[in-house]
Parts: sequence; C-alpha cells; structure tokens
Amino acid sequence: DSGVTQTPKHLITATGQRVTLRCSPRSGDLSVYWYQQSLDQGLQFLIQYYNGEERAKGNILERFSAQQFPDLHSELNLSSLELGDSALYFCASSPGRLSRGEQFFGPGTRLTVL
Amino acid sequence: SQQGEEDPQALSIQEGENATMNCSYKTSINNLQWYRQNSGRGLVHLILIRSNEREKHSGRLRVTLDTSKKSSSLLITASRAADTASYFCATDALGGSNYKLTFGKGTLLTVNP
Repeated sequence: DSGVTQTPKHLITATGQRVTLRCSPRSGDLSVYWYQQSLDQGLQFLIQYYNGEERAKGNILERFSAQQFPDLHSELNLSSLELGDSALYFCASSPGRLSRGEQFFGPGTRLTVL
Repeated sequence: SQQGEEDPQALSIQEGENATMNCSYKTSINNLQWYRQNSGRGLVHLILIRSNEREKHSGRLRVTLDTSKKSSSLLITASRAADTASYFCATDALGGSNYKLTFGKGTLLTVNP
C-alpha cells in the first residue's frame, strides 16, 4: 500500500459527459501528479501540482483540468468525454516540488467511456 | 515521443532464471528510475540510479546506467513467479523548467513456475 488513495476505482460513463477523479496523496507529500495509461499511448504525464499550485504540465487536453485543494487532495476533471479517453488514470505523490525522486502511485481509476 | 524505450517488449522465462530488461533514452538525465506494475494496478518504485552512478543493487535487482550510450539495464536474478509484471523505466530530463518523469512503454515479464 503506497498510502495514495484514489476514488472511484471504476467509472463507466457516456460520451459527452463530465467526470471527476479524486486523489489523496501520502501524508506529508506536497506534490500530486496525474498520469493517463492507455494501451496505445502508454503512461503519459498529465499535470503536477505542488502545495496547491500548478507546477508542470504534460500532455493534458484542454477538456481536462485539475486542481489541488488546501488539504492537498487533488481532483482531475474530464469533460466532453470521448471514446478515446477510456484509460487508467493514476495519481502519484512525492514530498517535494521536483519530480526527480521516487513517486508513490495510487491504485488508479479505470475510466470506460461508452 | 517516449523518452525511455524498454526492450524487449515481452520476456518469458522459467522460475529461477535471470531476467534482463533494457531501457534507452534520448536526452541527458538527472536520474533514471525503474518501476514495476502488476496487471492493472499502480506502479511501484523499484530503484533509482543517479546520472553519476554506473551500477546499483537492491536485493535481487541490479541496475546499470551507461550515460554515454543513454541506456540502462535492469537485471532480476533468481526470478520467481511473483516477479511476473510489467517493468518501466522513467527518466527525468536534465535542465528545463518543466520537470516531469517520462515513462517508456514497458517490458512485460512472465515468469513461469
């Protein structure tokens, strides 16, 4: 158990809908990272927040947004969903603001868009 | 494109044998990490090797890094069925302001009992 929690575990929704994925980092970790894993694209970095502020951006679509709250939990919002958004979404956390060290991954949310 | 590329894509061995996976990357790095993922589950950090290190050990794991060739290898000795998983290398590019880990597509290791 990494100490990172993600909810829900599974999410099934329809095209055009909007969903919110939630992540609680390990106790004491200030950075939260979001990743998308699909068969064709592999594991892609989406975005990083550090202590409430956006720190780094990766291949995140404009339809996706994220935020980190004062209690350090984070939410990833996916809107106008398309079939191709079906994937595993992982949250990871680390103590510091730089991504160079070990990251601790949550169990993931499996999103299925029908 | 992916910064790290693992090779082979899939590897099947018998229990007790050694497994070697390779990773190549494109740009200069601060460090390189290896992660393991059991089917459909979260990634677990295995080992980190810094750019000024050439070899590192952790239990049955041995990692080497050759920055001149921009490559790394992960050796798992005396493999067990429980080692069956996907293994990913991840690099953090040197310099720049957009710090991020970039993962390869992974090697699927199957250890047959």
